Amino acid sequence: EPEVTQTPSHQVTQMGQEVILRCVPISNHLYFYWYRQILGQKVEFLVSFYNNEISEKSEIFDDQFSVERPDGSNFTLKIRSTKLEDSAMYFCASRGDSYEQYFGPGTRLTVT
Amino acid sequence: AQTVTQSQPEMSVQEAETVTLSCTYDTSESDYYLFWYKQPPSRQMILVIRQEAYKQQNATENRFSVNFQKAAKSFSLKISDSQLGDAAMYFCAYRSSRAGANNLFFGTGTRLTVIP
Repeated sequence: EPEVTQTPSHQVTQMGQEVILRCVPISNHLYFYWYRQILGQKVEFLVSFYNNEISEKSEIFDDQFSVERPDGSNFTLKIRSTKLEDSAMYFCASRGDSYEQYFGPGTRLTVT
Repeated sequence: AQTVTQSQPEMSVQEAETVTLSCTYDTSESDYYLFWYKQPPSRQMILVIRQEAYKQQNATENRFSVNFQKAAKSFSLKISDSQLGDAAMYFCAYRSSRAGANNLFFGTGTRLTVIP
């Protein structure tokens, strides 16, 4: 069964550094998402992406964040200058024609 | 923005018994989608069951079923014949059917413990 994959599974970075989190959505899906979950809290929407552009973003998704689909398979989330409060689990999700979003296993980002 | 409320931070159930997890939501929309996701210790988000608001019939997936009460804006999850592998965080989520409004709104989750 096709699935969303994410790399790396765990990323440790120093405050102020740039990080890129990678996702490979399910191959025939057209809608892509990033969510984050701070430890012990609920999952929060960051951004949605369709037709090579952002379709919706939350207040969390400020100028420090960007997304890109550099080729036909990858979908990336970049954080330009990480802060301690960016430490969280970051989930990528994708959706095809149906309304169901399928999540990847997540990347645990630790900012020290 | 829509809000999703899960009033039970923790629940426990005896193996083979039935448990119901509660979820309420607030919306002014008439058409939308509701989901239950399971998050085991691995922290992966796994879709358990989904419900379209326009359908009166409650969704069922094997041992998992929902009680969807649209007027009350309630969407509870019933797990029958609970198994040890059901132990996880369970998140209720809402999604609008409006074009372009794709994102999910999640509740704060319910941690389910299954007692052998």
